Amino acid sequence: VQLVESGGGLVQPGGSLRLSCTASGFTFNIHAMSWVRQAPGKGLEWVSLIRGSGGSTSYADSVKGRFTISRDNSKSTVYLQMNSLRAEDTAVYYCARVLQTSSWSTFDYWGQGTLVTVSS
Amino acid sequence: QSVLTQPPSASGTPGQRVTISCSGSSTNIGSYTVNWYQHLPGTAPKLLIYSNNQRPSGVPDRFSGSKSGTSASLAISGLQSEDEADYYCAAWDDSLNGWVFGGGTKLTVL
Repeated sequence: VQLVESGGGLVQPGGSLRLSCTASGFTFNIHAMSWVRQAPGKGLEWVSLIRGSGGSTSYADSVKGRFTISRDNSKSTVYLQMNSLRAEDTAVYYCARVLQTSSWSTFDYWGQGTLVTVSS
Repeated sequence: QSVLTQPPSASGTPGQRVTISCSGSSTNIGSYTVNWYQHLPGTAPKLLIYSNNQRPSGVPDRFSGSKSGTSASLAISGLQSEDEADYYCAAWDDSLNGWVFGGGTKLTVL
C-alpha cells in the first residue's frame, strides 16, 4: 500500500490550491479515504472523508464550505480542493486510507504528507 | 481545544511501563471504538491500536489499548528509546459527523 500526496505549496490568503493523493497496492474503490492535517506545533486534525463510491462526504466544521473532497476511482486518486484559504490552514496535509468493518473503522495507512503554507 | 483530552506529556525510563489516557464523551468514545497512532515529526503517522485493543501486524505486544465507558488508555511496557514520539487517540464522533483526535501526548524516554 502506498499513498503519495502532491500539490502543496505557498499560496496567498484567499487563494486556492488542489491537493492530490494517488494510491497504489490495493483496490482503491472499496475504501473510504480521508485527509488529516497538522498545523505547525499542533496536533492532528481530521479534515474530510469520502466514501468509496464518492457519493458521501463529510467535513470538519473548520473547513466546511471552503474545502471539497472528491475522488477519481479510475485514477486511484483522491483530491482536496481548498478555496478561500486562511493563515490557519497552514499545515502538513496527510492522506489516509480508511479500513472499516461493521463494528470498527480506522486509518490504517497514511501518506508522507504535503505542506501547505498560506501567507502573503 | 481538542474534543478528546490527552495529557500533553508523559515520560519514563527504559524498561518502565507508561500509560496515556484519552477522555471523551458519549458521542465519540462512549459509542465508537478508539484508535491510537504514533507520530514522529516529519514522518507518516502509524496505526498502533485499532478497535480499542487490537494491534496491527508488526506492532510489538509491548503496546496495548483498553477502553471503559467514555475513556481509553494506551499502555507501553518495556519502554524503549525508539518509543519516543507523539501519541494520538482518535474516534468517530456522532454529533460532529466526523473523526476527532486527542491533542496528542509527547512521550519522552529519559
